[in-house]
Amino acid sequence: QVQLVESGGAVVRPGGSLRLSCAASGFTFSDFGMHWVRQAPGKGLEWLAFIRYDGSNEYYSDSVKGRFTISRDNSKNTLYLQMNSLRPQDTAVYYCVKGNILSNSILDHWGQGTLGTVSS
Amino acid sequence: DIQMTQSPSSLSASIGDRVTITCRASQNLRTYLNWYQQKPGKAPSLLIYHTSNLQNGVPSRFSGSGSGTDFTLTISSLQPEDSAIYHCQQSSTTPLTFGGGTKVEI
Repeated sequence: QVQLVESGGAVVRPGGSLRLSCAASGFTFSDFGMHWVRQAPGKGLEWLAFIRYDGSNEYYSDSVKGRFTISRDNSKNTLYLQMNSLRPQDTAVYYCVKGNILSNSILDHWGQGTLGTVSS
Repeated sequence: DIQMTQSPSSLSASIGDRVTITCRASQNLRTYLNWYQQKPGKAPSLLIYHTSNLQNGVPSRFSGSGSGTDFTLTISSLQPEDSAIYHCQQSSTTPLTFGGGTKVEI
């Protein structure tokens, strides 16, 4: 079965950096687009970024464009999110999410999430 | 960006009740609207995609309808395990956007 396991969440100071990883298994990782979605404490879901199955294109929300970078290593079945210039409002649970075969924009499997806290 | 508005933000209902949640988009989505269920302390899971298609394993008491800008998620007979937050999401264009969520309490 599909498994997505995020790691890398931590407490960082404002202006700092964090790199999240997502280990994928149970499906052919290199065939699917992947997303990062976050959820601030007690808040709704916010889509952050998408990368195509082969890494050829990336898309970002305006709130993270220029600060966050999504990438993938298909040889390691791993998705990444490099987060720079972090702000307190970036505090959230970060989810790695798989796109669907019918449409990349259908989010059909979610990891358990990893918590990133930005605080001084 | 497409704005998604869900109503109500929360509701309380009894076992066996019919529950309806609505989602309104600021632009025409055709049928590119998906629903997710999020139980307390858990990640969301896909419930319905493209307005009315049930994801594998989702009970038939869940159904979705609508098109354009107005969509509905219906639970025909509420069960204890349906206590959760329900999120709508448009998949018409990036950035993907979500509604604010509807908390369903039993």
